[in-house]
Amino acid sequence: GAVVSQHPSRVICKSGTSVKIECRSLDFQATTMFWYRQFPKQSLMLMATSNEGSKATYEQGVEKDKFLINHASLTLSTLTVTSAHPEDSSFYICSAAPGLAVPGELFFGEGSRLTVL
Amino acid sequence: AQSVTQLGSHVSVSEGALVLLRCNYSSSVPPYLFWYVQYPNQGLQLLLKYTSAATLVKGINGFEAEFKKSETSFHLTKPSAHMSDAAEYFCAVSGGGSNYKLTFGKGTLLTVNP
Repeated sequence: GAVVSQHPSRVICKSGTSVKIECRSLDFQATTMFWYRQFPKQSLMLMATSNEGSKATYEQGVEKDKFLINHASLTLSTLTVTSAHPEDSSFYICSAAPGLAVPGELFFGEGSRLTVL
Repeated sequence: AQSVTQLGSHVSVSEGALVLLRCNYSSSVPPYLFWYVQYPNQGLQLLLKYTSAATLVKGINGFEAEFKKSETSFHLTKPSAHMSDAAEYFCAVSGGGSNYKLTFGKGTLLTVNP
């Protein structure tokens, strides 16, 4: 199956700093990638849809200036958490789909656990 | 609009017993339905999918699910649980067409007792 890789898998940062998480599709091109946030023992919350070469589409209630998304190539999307605070601590997961996949059939990265001190 | 309801946030079975995880959906268009599994501190992996072909769908690791339109259900089953099945399971629905956005249920944690 298609492979999506995230990096870093874990990151700890100080409050006020910015953190960048990368999401790569390793063996396919992805014009669209999705970023999710997952709180402990809860479901995934869609944060934004990342579109290659254009602006990301954010879900209601997600601060676009806090969570910067860049999808500069067909295999890479990045999520930057700016001026991170402890409440931003969470598990962030990206996903993508090959062009011929069934709508909704997504391949997920391994996730990135962010801890803000 | 779409939504997914997973009945039971936690299901516990004995090794070798039947696994039944319940999922009901709501969709204004013919849905595509999915079950994903998540192991601790990992991303999600597709178990199986329903795409309007056969109503009984077989997936990986011996899991299967049956789409019942009249009941708006897509329950996940496995005849005999294995210790390695212990994980979080998410039911999800997408709107079909070119809509790749998934709506997830809240998840069901499956524990398997020896």
